[in-house]
Amino acid sequence: QQQVKQSPQSLIVQKGGISIINCAYENTAFDYFPWYQQFPGKGPALLIAIRPDVSEKKEGRFTISFNKSAKQFSLHIMDSQPGDSATYFCAARNSGSARQLTFGSGTQLTVLP
Amino acid sequence: DAGVTQSPTHLIKTRGQQVTLRCSPKSGHDTVSWYQQALGQGPQFIFQYYEEEERQRGNFPDRFSGHQFPNYSSELNVNALLLGDSALYLCASSREKRADTQYFGPGTRLTVL
Repeated sequence: QQQVKQSPQSLIVQKGGISIINCAYENTAFDYFPWYQQFPGKGPALLIAIRPDVSEKKEGRFTISFNKSAKQFSLHIMDSQPGDSATYFCAARNSGSARQLTFGSGTQLTVLP
Repeated sequence: DAGVTQSPTHLIKTRGQQVTLRCSPKSGHDTVSWYQQALGQGPQFIFQYYEEEERQRGNFPDRFSGHQFPNYSSELNVNALLLGDSALYLCASSREKRADTQYFGPGTRLTVL
């Protein structure tokens, strides 16, 4: 299975709150798990990424938590700001030669001022 | 340092026509992948080019073809356009030797009428 399942589809949080987006995968051939942020009319921009031998990675207000045994990973956005309002995609990279990305279906985040 | 660039930004075609989209990778990158992003969905892998050869293909018909030039830039061609081909077409580049993750361009919005 090449699917990556992402939830929730949409998320509304207050400014200063914590935004949490969850993803699950089935294919054990995935070896790298990036998160992308996409604004309307733009291409996805790499936000943060993690490898499966690490359980957590933090960069500024963004943290990835990774549970290899459960095949789940999540993005936490601390102190959410209105400027964080965008669509977030989790992805998983195949370990084969092409290392293509399989994306989740996306989460539309709205941070209210 | 220029990122990934794509042209044109927008394109309108009619059913049955053919279209060519262009991509210039990020400086220092030698691998180009193409993705299709339908409205409200995550990007889906079309194919990847490395050393001017198609290395991997996703679940897309032969109407989708591509090319990579010696300067690493790439083209995506779609023949016999269908209404369902309307989407944002994204180009992503990476470096083969460093197995970096992929950096995306702004995309070409294709509308098929």
